[in-house]
Amino acid sequence: GNSVTQMEGPVTLSEEAFLTINCTYTATGYPSLFWYVQYPGEGLQLLLKATKADDKGSNKGFEATYRKETTSFHLEKGSVQVSDSAVYFCALSESQTNAGKSTFGDGTTLTVKP
Amino acid sequence: DGGITQSPKYLFRKEGQNVTLSCEQNLNHDAMYWYRQDPGQGLRLIYYSQIVNDFQKGDIAEGYSVSREKKESFPLTVTSAQKNPTAFYLCASTRSVGVRQPQHFGDGTRLSIL
Repeated sequence: GNSVTQMEGPVTLSEEAFLTINCTYTATGYPSLFWYVQYPGEGLQLLLKATKADDKGSNKGFEATYRKETTSFHLEKGSVQVSDSAVYFCALSESQTNAGKSTFGDGTTLTVKP
Repeated sequence: DGGITQSPKYLFRKEGQNVTLSCEQNLNHDAMYWYRQDPGQGLRLIYYSQIVNDFQKGDIAEGYSVSREKKESFPLTVTSAQKNPTAFYLCASTRSVGVRQPQHFGDGTRLSIL
């Protein structure tokens, strides 16, 4: 079946530091890949997505590249802010065998200190 | 603006009581999902529905029930058979099954035991 493995947290960084959150996946078909962000007490919001190999998703200074050869979709940001403190989820959607369901990683908690 | 509305935001359950969590969407999405999130953990799928009047069990359906009488609505009932119901419940939707789409989430309902 499908699975998503995320870098374990929590991750604590100082403001303006470089961020990487690792994500690797296993899928039976050809998935689309997503990063979601969850702020305290809220639902998940789509942060960025990529639908095919070598696509780069980007939003709000965050980037992730769909690497089919390494089955990875690592999230990066060059300079984090305190407001980026949240839980980040990597996910995939593979329609052929999974009835359109998404598979989520366990989430990585990021805390950015001033 | 289109979106998903979950209510109530906070809910308290007494022993032996069934409670129902509401989820309404005006995105004209076909598929809807219910997830349970425990503190510091990822999402676990409870039930999902691909079309009206049809739904399937997810990974942790025991102690829960759902209905899908209208496209816009997918209420979740937490029954007295669910012995550990304290959690954050998230409802999500996606445009249709068979395409690799991201999910849209509501802001969640936090359920606690009195």
